[in-house]
This record gives sequence, C-alpha cells and structure tokens, in this order.
Amino acid sequence: AQSVTQLDSQVPVFEEAPVELRCNYSSSVSVYLFWYVQYPNQGLQLLLKYLSGSTLVKGINGFEAEFNKSQTSFHLRKPSVHISDTAEYFCAVSDRTGNQFYFGTGTSLTVIP
Amino acid sequence: DAGVTQSPTHLIKTRGQQVTLRCSPKSGHDTVSWYQQALGQGPQFIFQYYEEEERQRGNFPDRFSGHQFPNYSSELNVNALLLGDSALYLCASSFQGRNEQFFGPGTRLTVL
Repeated sequence: AQSVTQLDSQVPVFEEAPVELRCNYSSSVSVYLFWYVQYPNQGLQLLLKYLSGSTLVKGINGFEAEFNKSQTSFHLRKPSVHISDTAEYFCAVSDRTGNQFYFGTGTSLTVIP
Repeated sequence: DAGVTQSPTHLIKTRGQQVTLRCSPKSGHDTVSWYQQALGQGPQFIFQYYEEEERQRGNFPDRFSGHQFPNYSSELNVNALLLGDSALYLCASSFQGRNEQFFGPGTRLTVL
C-alpha cells in the first residue's frame, strides 16, 4: 500500500510571493503522483500529475512540481501566488494500476492581500 | 462535454436509515471510484467499479456497497447510517489505461 504525508496543514502567504507546498509519499512499488485543488464546496480539480519521464512537471494556473525519487517527495511550487489561489491542496499517490488513490490530509493555502 | 455529475447535492438522514448516492461519469470513461471526505480530511477510497464489478475496495465496512450500470453510471449505498458517516462523498471517473481521475462536485451527507 501507499501513503502520503502533507507536512503543512496551513500555509499563509502574501500575494505575489512564492509558495511551496510539501508532500512526501511512501510506497514499495513505482507510483504515479498527483496534486489536486479543492475550492470551498466543490470537488477536486487536477493541477498536475507525474506518470513518468521528466521529474519537473508543469500544471495549470502556473503551478509546477518536482518528483524526487530519492527523497520520496513531490513538492508543489508557484513563483507568484494570486488571491484566487486560496484553496485546499491535496497530494495523492497511486500504484501503476491506478485502481486506488491515496490522498494526504491536505494543505490549506491562504493568500493574503 | 459534461463532466462527472453527482446527485443529490445535499442529503439529510437520521441514524439507522439507508441512503443511495448517484454518479454519472465523464463521457468516454468506464471506471468509477467513490471516496469519503470527512470535514478537514483528505478523501478516503471506498471502492472502484469497472465492468459492473467491484474491482478494488478500501477499508470500509460492508454497510457500504455499490453498483455500476451498463452505461457506466454508479450508485453508492450506505445502510444503517451512523453519525460518523456524515461527510462529502466524491465520485471520480477514469478510463482504463489512464490514471487521471476526474472528480464530481460531491454529495454532502449529514446524518442526525
């Protein structure tokens, strides 16, 4: 089985500042990694995914993440945040069958004007 | 192209009752997964349906059951509701061979 740890439950950041949301995973097999965003009272929207290939993955809304196999991490970054980025962010992992996703407990990003 | 749709949006039940939640997958998708998201938590995998059969199941009791229809839509049934079943129930669809799951808006279940 796999598991995900999101190291920060809440991250406040000023508008136009950079941000990094941390994610570490545990697995005995090769994995796929994902970041999802959830706005209040809505479902989850995929930001980006790592399946294979380049370890630097670019997603929507200016977000990117880097897969680091040796550190079993998949941290999410954005160079300049906007008010509209305020939301809950979830890191998720699955094995290569994709039959079951494991989610972290989420990081609440608050962008301060 | 409609995405994943779920019904109802909100539901209030009392302890001991039974509930059925419904999900229609994104066009072209044949696999449906269900998740339970308690307040302040990440989604927890309940089970996945493919070809009208439960293919994978998470750590949930038998009170949670499901069904997938020939048109790939799915139902989640929960019997003997407990207060702890109050949560947002999310449905996600995907296509075999592709690991990206698309999520619906969820059904908010409140058990009183």
